[in-house]
Amino acid sequence: DADVTQTPRNRITKTGKRIMLECSQTKGHDRMYWYRQDPGLGLQLIYYSFDVKDINKGEISDGYSVSRQAQAKFSLSLESAIPNQTALYFCATSGPRGEAFFGQGTRLTVV
Amino acid sequence: LAKTTQPISMDSYEGQEVNITCSHNNIATNDYITWYQQFPSQGPRFIIQGYKTKVTNEVASLFIPADRKSSTLSLPRVSLSDTAVYYCLVAPTDSWGKFQFGAGTQVVVTP
Repeated sequence: DADVTQTPRNRITKTGKRIMLECSQTKGHDRMYWYRQDPGLGLQLIYYSFDVKDINKGEISDGYSVSRQAQAKFSLSLESAIPNQTALYFCATSGPRGEAFFGQGTRLTVV
Repeated sequence: LAKTTQPISMDSYEGQEVNITCSHNNIATNDYITWYQQFPSQGPRFIIQGYKTKVTNEVASLFIPADRKSSTLSLPRVSLSDTAVYYCLVAPTDSWGKFQFGAGTQVVVTP
């Protein structure tokens, strides 16, 4: 089983719809993150959480919200999806030494 | 956060050694240097991490000079499967979530 599991793997949604991307991890780490990647570019940090009660905005949090339901679960929501949110989304977790483990990614298309 | 600069792309042939140098002139005393590998449509994968001198694992070596203003990732005897984007990241491990991924270095290995 993967250390970090994201669901769904692919999603097509319409503009204005609310959508949730889910992430769970089995590493037992406190820190979890959501990243976005556009074609040919590096990863941009959307939100990060250092523990269940600590959630922080990243570089590009506008239009997104998150929920840390448990140590192992961190979900990302798009309240009202728009086409420029079409991207590849990655969830990650890291331990105290900074080594990060990423999920397989969710390819989101907003039409 | 320390800014990093690395080449946009590098080409190599199978069996050769590939060395990717990353510049990080304003690295802080408590910063670590971490390298990740990313294949298309997959999440980045941790390769190696170091603080100073040389670190080696089963995948790569990381060379860090005494002034720590740069680092070099060395991939020995590359194969076609090493074609990927390689990211250099610099940050203290206790604030990993604030990492900023740049565009990375696209390494292309040909027969």
